Amino acid sequence: SYDLTQPPSVSVSPGQTATITCSGDTLGKKYVSWYQQKPGQSPVLVIYGDNRRPSGIPERFSGSNSGNRATLTISGTQAMDEADYYCQTWDSNKYVFGTGTKVTVL
Amino acid sequence: QVRLQESGPGLVKPSGTLSLTCAVSGGSITTTDWWGWVRQPPGKGLEWIGEIFHSGSTRYNPSLKTRVTLSVDRSRNHFSLKVTSLTAADTAVYYCARVDGAGGINWFDPWGQGTLVTVSS
Repeated sequence: SYDLTQPPSVSVSPGQTATITCSGDTLGKKYVSWYQQKPGQSPVLVIYGDNRRPSGIPERFSGSNSGNRATLTISGTQAMDEADYYCQTWDSNKYVFGTGTKVTVL
Repeated sequence: QVRLQESGPGLVKPSGTLSLTCAVSGGSITTTDWWGWVRQPPGKGLEWIGEIFHSGSTRYNPSLKTRVTLSVDRSRNHFSLKVTSLTAADTAVYYCARVDGAGGINWFDPWGQGTLVTVSS
């Protein structure tokens, strides 16, 4: 089966840049979406198609995907960005989610 | 603006069947989009269950395929999930979501608020 691996946690200071990685075999050949999930809430789409931002998502969220790794970058991280983040792709007729990364804003 | 709302029992018995419905409002279910289900065990990550098109075409997660059935009711603008032979491992928050996109670029947006289903006697 296809697996997407993310670091369990990332810590960042307010105003700094948070980088969340998502690793998978030849992931750069697939399209990746990213979701933000705050405690007790449903996931919210923040990036789709590797690097496209839905309307209403702040410009500080950006994405890239190459080789075996996709990256979600949060520039100028704010306290409100503290949440779990999941990557997602499609492989062999199945949607796959990453293991999830907890972003803590210290 | 499309909104989704899950409904169904919050407690089901082991070996029983889970039945949930997702009501779609603010838009028609008969669009070019697929409609999906994702679940999340307490404190764990997201798992795709399956998706359905308004014509009734379905795609299932191979790991759950033998126990899952999706259906759609165009007249009521909702779609449904059934999971049989339940065990404690099926305890999770169940989300419905629209599967947007095309041509290999697909994503889940929006999501319903989710409903917790506990499998326990």
